[in-house]
Amino acid sequence: AQKITQTQPGMFVQEKEAVTLDCTYDTSDQSYGLFWYKQPSSGEMIFLIYQGSYDEQNATEGRYSLNFQKARKSANLVISASQLGDSAMYFCAMREGLEGAQKLVFGQGTRLTINP
Amino acid sequence: DTGVSQNPRHKITKRGQNVTFRCDPISEHNRLYWYRQTLGQGPEFLTYFQNEAQLEKSRLLSDRFSAERPKGSFSTLEIQRTEQGDSAMYLCASSWHNSPLHFGNGTRLTVT
Repeated sequence: AQKITQTQPGMFVQEKEAVTLDCTYDTSDQSYGLFWYKQPSSGEMIFLIYQGSYDEQNATEGRYSLNFQKARKSANLVISASQLGDSAMYFCAMREGLEGAQKLVFGQGTRLTINP
Repeated sequence: DTGVSQNPRHKITKRGQNVTFRCDPISEHNRLYWYRQTLGQGPEFLTYFQNEAQLEKSRLLSDRFSAERPKGSFSTLEIQRTEQGDSAMYLCASSWHNSPLHFGNGTRLTVT
């Protein structure tokens, strides 16, 4: 069965510093997708970045990049130049297969706090 | 793109009552999902529609839960005979085929 592990319950970072949020995954499938979502206090889950298991390049979206290490089964999120508005819960998620229903399996999340 | 809209935002009900939540997806999205999130946990998949067809249901979805998506537009999630264990945030999400999911703000259910 697939599983996502986020080992950092909370992270505190100074504004403008870079931050890395850890995510490891477990799956027996060869085809899978990895996602990061941000959840502010408003409750909405905001999609940040996606990496497919066959993608050779690490995904990047603006200040977000995904450090994908397939052999280690890790998919860490890197946020460069952190901002106060980055304070939120961050969830790593995985889907098995690359087609059909997106039955995402989520980790328990990391609460990121950016200090001024 | 007006986003995924969920109503109500909060619902407090007494154990044993029935509740219904509504989700309006992004209009051009053909797929609609329901997830449930309990305190301190990530969301868990409940069910999924492609257009009006409900294609998959999680084992988490007991017989007391029913979801519909008439005409492939908005969706409703009904919980009958609510129990305290049903207290959670119910999240709706939509997508166009395999594009990443867009989530709504959720409906927070409290069963007393």
